[in-house]
Amino acid sequence: ILNVEQSPQSLHVQEGDSTNFTCSFPSSNFYALHWYRWETAKSPEALFVMTLNGDEKKKGRISATLNTKEGYSYLYIKGSQPEDSATYLCAFRILSYNTDKLIFGTGTRLQVFP
Amino acid sequence: EAGVAQSPRYKIIEKRQSVAFWCNPISGHATLYWYQQILGQGPKLLIQFQNNGVVDDSQLPKDRFSAERLKGVDSTLKIQPAKLEDSAVYLCASSWEATGELFFGEGSRLTVL
Repeated sequence: ILNVEQSPQSLHVQEGDSTNFTCSFPSSNFYALHWYRWETAKSPEALFVMTLNGDEKKKGRISATLNTKEGYSYLYIKGSQPEDSATYLCAFRILSYNTDKLIFGTGTRLQVFP
Repeated sequence: EAGVAQSPRYKIIEKRQSVAFWCNPISGHATLYWYQQILGQGPKLLIQFQNNGVVDDSQLPKDRFSAERLKGVDSTLKIQPAKLEDSAVYLCASSWEATGELFFGEGSRLTVL
């Protein structure tokens, strides 16, 4: 059974704090790693799709790094704002002769207090 | 560009009743997915369509769940009869290419009493 684990499960920070969380995935047969943000009562939206070891991607104050050899990705938020409050999901793409799908982690729930 | 549309947003039913969810993907997206997200868990893929063919339905409880994608566009997901453990958010998503970046709808929250 392939497991994608995210930590911490939840996080409460003050506005202005920087924060980071982790996604751990199988290090063998890597194909791609996705990050999504899911705000309450809205659709999950893609942040990053990462494919190369050592990849670093950035979108505004949010950035992500990828280490496929050791099987982890970090998501960083610099200077958290209340609008960053959401659940952050990572998903590992499994690709084999008979399957091609995303396995999601359970998410990290972030709350940013003003 | 219009996003992925889903309905209904909320549904409350009693166990053993049936329910249907509808999804209209982004125009031109060949791949459509239904995910089930139970509270405290990550989204789990129920079924994946490529145009109107099923690519993966290995985790669809076929004794009670069914899904179809007519003419490679809209899709419906049906549960009959519902069980308490089916209470979840049902997310529809679509993508340009198989397992590329997913575009999600807002989800349909089902409560089974």
